[in-house]
Amino acid sequence: DVKVTQSSRYLVKRTGEKVFLECVQDMDHENMFWYRQDPGLGLRLIYFSYDVKMKEKGDIPEGYSVSREKKERFSLILESASTNQTSMYLCASYEVGARGNTEAFFGQGTRLTVV
Amino acid sequence: TQLLEQSPQFLSIQEGENLTVYCNSSSVFSSLQWYRQEPGEGPVLLVTVVTGGEVKKLKRLTFQFGDARKDSSLHITAAQPGDTGLYLCAALSRGSQGNLIFGKGTKLSVKP
Repeated sequence: DVKVTQSSRYLVKRTGEKVFLECVQDMDHENMFWYRQDPGLGLRLIYFSYDVKMKEKGDIPEGYSVSREKKERFSLILESASTNQTSMYLCASYEVGARGNTEAFFGQGTRLTVV
Repeated sequence: TQLLEQSPQFLSIQEGENLTVYCNSSSVFSSLQWYRQEPGEGPVLLVTVVTGGEVKKLKRLTFQFGDARKDSSLHITAAQPGDTGLYLCAALSRGSQGNLIFGKGTKLSVKP
């Protein structure tokens, strides 16, 4: 019954490395999102995509990029990892309902540590 | 900027107690959602409220949407250790794309 799958639950990377976080959904949703979650700061939107090959910046896009080559897959890329990117990363997908009601489905999260 | 403010930020109670957490905004929303997140997992939807004044019950959890559709509350009766987690409220932002915005959450700990 898995709907949104993130490629790794835990990652440890070195400063300066290029990091790829993968997310796949099986619900045929057009909308996919990447958030990071930090204590006291809540969920912050990094990037989102409303269609294949389409991307929009969220609230904190600096240091990140994304790729959406196929509808079901949305990748988050850390071009040169830094210690301040140590965080929990959450991928989500959803469709907006007719009355504005929406159910977001989240992956299990990737806890990234940059050393 | 549309914001959802949740209170309290932390709540630690004994099993069997009742509690209420709040989600407030100065903005009007067409709907509002509550999610629960357990440690090491992604958030999972509990309920969506759509109509002003609406009350929804999910076993021991009661959700209410304010009459003006600017705020919501979650009441838990006779809390159990299994209720422990982070409770997040969320709503669709205005604008053409309709991103979900989230409150910072209430971290609930229920001790046996």
